[in-house]
Amino acid sequence: GENVGLHLPTLSVQEGDNSIINCAYSNSASDYFIWYKQESGKGPQFIIDIRSNMDKRQGQRVTVLLNKTVKHLSLQIAATQPGDSAVYFCAEISGGSYIPTFGRGTSLIVHP
Amino acid sequence: EAGVTQFPSHSVIEKGQTVTLRCDPISGHDNLYWYRRVMGKEIKFLLHFVKESKQDESGMPNNRFLAERTGGTYSTLKVQPAELEDSGVYFCASSPLGPSSGNTIYFGEGSWLTVV
Repeated sequence: GENVGLHLPTLSVQEGDNSIINCAYSNSASDYFIWYKQESGKGPQFIIDIRSNMDKRQGQRVTVLLNKTVKHLSLQIAATQPGDSAVYFCAEISGGSYIPTFGRGTSLIVHP
Repeated sequence: EAGVTQFPSHSVIEKGQTVTLRCDPISGHDNLYWYRRVMGKEIKFLLHFVKESKQDESGMPNNRFLAERTGGTYSTLKVQPAELEDSGVYFCASSPLGPSSGNTIYFGEGSWLTVV
């Protein structure tokens, strides 16, 4: 079946570096994408979202890029901090659906 | 305003026993979702309520899982009898009525279930 997945399960970076977390999706009907951050012992928290009529959206220290041609989504975190250490999930919602579909997640480890 | 609350936060039970997880959504949120994350894997959708009605239960793994949402308020997810593969984190989320957007879906901290 169609799914949302991630290329790298673990990403280790040094504090201050920029981080890039990638996500591939295969459902061509997906028109809305969300990045979530899950810290240890907590539930997923919304970071940033993007609709399929856009290819880039920026937030505070985070940027999401969407490439619909190759069905690829990425989350860029600038000047990564130890507090950014968490598991990051991409999720997609298609066509007026109510239900986010999640990928596997990438564990980001930030070394001080 | 209180967020989505889940109880218990952690539970360790023996194979064959029954466990009931509870979720209290944010007040006024008609959409309620249950998800499960098995260690190291994706967060998988289980089911979706709109008020007290089950809209989509396509993700429920088998008939050992029973979800209810009495009166459209809190929801329970019962696993009976529990098996080893049921271990994982069970997340509940809620959102206001209408198509979802990321910043209106709120997740609880999860109920961590270990079946031994």
